Amino acid sequence: DGGITQSPKYLFRKEGQNVTLSCEQNLNHDAMYWYRQDPGQGLRLIYYSQIVNDFQKGDIAEGYSVSREKKESFPLTVTSAQKNPTAFYLCASSIGATGELFFGEGSRLTVL
Amino acid sequence: AQSVSQHNHHVILSEAASLELGCNYSYGGTVNLFWYVQYPGQHLQLLLKYFSGDPLVKGIKGFEAEFIKSKFSFNLRKPSVQWSDTAEYFCAVRGFSGGYNKLIFGAGTRLAVHP
Repeated sequence: DGGITQSPKYLFRKEGQNVTLSCEQNLNHDAMYWYRQDPGQGLRLIYYSQIVNDFQKGDIAEGYSVSREKKESFPLTVTSAQKNPTAFYLCASSIGATGELFFGEGSRLTVL
Repeated sequence: AQSVSQHNHHVILSEAASLELGCNYSYGGTVNLFWYVQYPGQHLQLLLKYFSGDPLVKGIKGFEAEFIKSKFSFNLRKPSVQWSDTAEYFCAVRGFSGGYNKLIFGAGTRLAVHP
């Protein structure tokens, strides 16, 4: 089945540690996105990539980094510079920049 | 800056009641409009979308939404809700202004339907 796979589903880390969240899609979509979901705030865009080897900052990119070396993969690293990293992270993809988004099941990161 | 406002953060209904969730956006140009739904334990999925044409759009599971350009609104409706409609609903808007046109999400509305 085509879709988006995020891993891990749950992740616990100590303060000061970098963590990398995986996102893989087999939908052959060009565009991929990372959102952060916090209660009462909806989804906020962290980074997006419209094509391989290119990505752009979203609204809340500080403390995060990404790479897009393959069309299928768009990993997100939450660095120690992110002041409030505990959140639910959602990866999404779309056929083009204006298409509907398809979401993964999310990764819940808790920093202790 | 573009923004999306969802008026109700929590809605509680009994089964068979009618539902209307409000969504207003701030952007004066061409827009694409979406409603996404997140059922408990499941991933976000598209409920319905509006790109152009008939402003009354129908989505999955009996949902519909009406785009009223003069009111900058895209309210979601369902005549008779079911317990299985319990979920969080997100309105999203993409305004076209040159360059990358990102999707802006509202804060979401949690709907609880009691049997």
